[in-house]
Amino acid sequence: SYELTQPPSVSVSPGQTAVITCSGDKLGDKYTCWYQQKPGQAPVLVIYQDKMRPFGIPERFSGSNSGNTATLTIRGTQVMDEAYYYCQAWDSFVVFGGGTKLTVL
Amino acid sequence: QVQLQQWGAGLLKPSETLSLSCAVYGGTFSGYFWNWIRQTSGKGLEWIGEINDSGSTTYNPSLKSRVTISVDTSKNQFYLKLRSVTAADTAVYYCARGLENDISKDFWGHGTLVTVS
Repeated sequence: SYELTQPPSVSVSPGQTAVITCSGDKLGDKYTCWYQQKPGQAPVLVIYQDKMRPFGIPERFSGSNSGNTATLTIRGTQVMDEAYYYCQAWDSFVVFGGGTKLTVL
Repeated sequence: QVQLQQWGAGLLKPSETLSLSCAVYGGTFSGYFWNWIRQTSGKGLEWIGEINDSGSTTYNPSLKSRVTISVDTSKNQFYLKLRSVTAADTAVYYCARGLENDISKDFWGHGTLVTVS
């Protein structure tokens, strides 16, 4: 079955750029989306169709997808961005990455 | 604003059937796919399956033999049944809306913790 691989954790200082990757076989040929999840809350869609931001998601969130890797970039990271981030794609059915804990300190 | 409100039994014994419901408020029911997704501490997010307003379903192959997702368009509700549960089915279960022409899930329910013990 298709697998998406994310780093377990990423750390960044406030104001810096956070980069979270998601790897899968020929992932660039598929659409990828990203979710943010804070403790005790449901996931929130932050990027869809590789690079599109839903209404209400700050411009500091951006996405890209090429080759075998999709990337979520958060520019000017804020303390409020500390959360788990999950990538998702579709290969016969919906597949999620294992999640990345973003620490902002 | 679309809201998904979910409910169902939170404590089950092994071999019982998990039953959850999800009601959709504030938006149209047709033209979307309605999903069930679960989250365990060990395996992260796992997609269970989806249904559209016509009743067409797609399931995760790993759960397909035990899962039924159904819909009641007159109530703007959809449902999950998972048979023969074990401790491995202990998770937070979410309902979520999927777009017809995209893979993402844009609105989620608050989640229901289901414990099998």
